[in-house]
Amino acid sequence: GAGVSQSPRYKVAKRGQDVALRCDPISGHVSLFWYQQALGQGPEFLTYFQNEAQLDKSGLPSDRFFAERPEGSVSTLKIQRTQQEDSAVYLCASRLTGGFEKLFFGSGTQLSVL
Amino acid sequence: AQTVTQSQPEMSVQEAETVTLSCTYDTSESNYYLFWYKQPPSRQMILVIRQEAYKQQNATENRFSVNFQKAAKSFSLKISDSQLGDTAMYFCAFSQGGSEKLVFGKGTKLTVNP
Repeated sequence: GAGVSQSPRYKVAKRGQDVALRCDPISGHVSLFWYQQALGQGPEFLTYFQNEAQLDKSGLPSDRFFAERPEGSVSTLKIQRTQQEDSAVYLCASRLTGGFEKLFFGSGTQLSVL
Repeated sequence: AQTVTQSQPEMSVQEAETVTLSCTYDTSESNYYLFWYKQPPSRQMILVIRQEAYKQQNATENRFSVNFQKAAKSFSLKISDSQLGDTAMYFCAFSQGGSEKLVFGKGTKLTVNP
């Protein structure tokens, strides 16, 4: 596709449910990032992949959060036993090579946990 | 840890006028990069301008320019000839050299009035 695609655009979950958020990066992009943006805040780094390798997961807030990119393309962010504080927009970004000037963001998934 | 502070939650400007958004940051590193991102209602983060800390010359991109004061750790964004399409959230961001993480401020909501 022409850009980074994220699905679903909106997700409503009941507290305690598991959710899976999908990111389709730009074809051929090597690096993939996940950010969490709470209401009224700037995005916060969650995790980073280079191809299928998860090189940094230091931003994942708890062991309920898990990200994978098994074939080095599509990535899934999974949140187990969702809690209200998980409500946020989850942004994905991808990059072929180079610095942050080459980084492209998706439009995010807005997760609401009731 | 690096921090980014945007002290103006909201700003407004008349179309065709000039507006300046403020940002300060805190770091002990000497090699870093600074960015301004625009986030329209579509939620997609778009890079507006970037500055390398080792460059003394302020970056410019068409109507957008920065005032980078390294000693003061200040990085403001000036938007000239404001247009209605500039209405968006603006985030200041920091990246340490060699790091794959962006650290964002809380953002400034800019409204351009006709």
